Amino acid sequence: RKEVEQDPGPFNVPEGATVAFNCTYSNSASQSFFWYRQDCRKEPKLLMSVYSSGNEDGRFTAQLNRASQYISLLIRDSKLSDSATYLCVVSASGNTPLVFGKGTRLSVIA
Amino acid sequence: DAGVIQSPRHEVTEMGQEVTLRCKPISGHDYLFWYRQTMMRGLELLIYFNNNVPIDDSGMPEDRFSAKMPNASFSTLKIQPSEPRDSAVYFCASSRDSTQETQYFGPGTRLLVL
Repeated sequence: RKEVEQDPGPFNVPEGATVAFNCTYSNSASQSFFWYRQDCRKEPKLLMSVYSSGNEDGRFTAQLNRASQYISLLIRDSKLSDSATYLCVVSASGNTPLVFGKGTRLSVIA
Repeated sequence: DAGVIQSPRHEVTEMGQEVTLRCKPISGHDYLFWYRQTMMRGLELLIYFNNNVPIDDSGMPEDRFSAKMPNASFSTLKIQPSEPRDSAVYFCASSRDSTQETQYFGPGTRLLVL
């Protein structure tokens, strides 16, 4: 089983739609969780950290379910500029590096 | 404030040639990471350094790959000899105190081995 699994998509949604991505992780000792965004032919960049209580940043909401070992990202009122690949990222405790999922591709269509 | 700098941005070479990729991390960042990204395998960690010392190189595919960090502001990833299956985008990233901190990626080097 892969450490971090995501639906690769693509998710094709119209502008204004709400879209949700899920991600599952296999290591129950994982402590840190992130969503990164990667535009086409660009480098990954941090979108937001994911906290146990869930957190929101504008149109973006991230949630963590430790019992089920999954993380979600909700995007409300999708914009064309949201089109990108969204990478789920997990790190176990201690000095262990981040583990990246393969990403979910989102295309927002006018 | 300069981000992570990588060079070259693009490299096309023939099978059997030596390839050297370069990275300058963000000043003050103690961790440096080398990744490879392909469509099939996604983003894979090859090796990472802490304070210029290699900590984990278990992701390095084979002996043809080597990485060095002679000082806090420079690292190289070398492939010798290169093979077509090495074609990928190679990213360098750096972060501050912990491996769990936010990583800042360079723009990547697109490598094509013919």
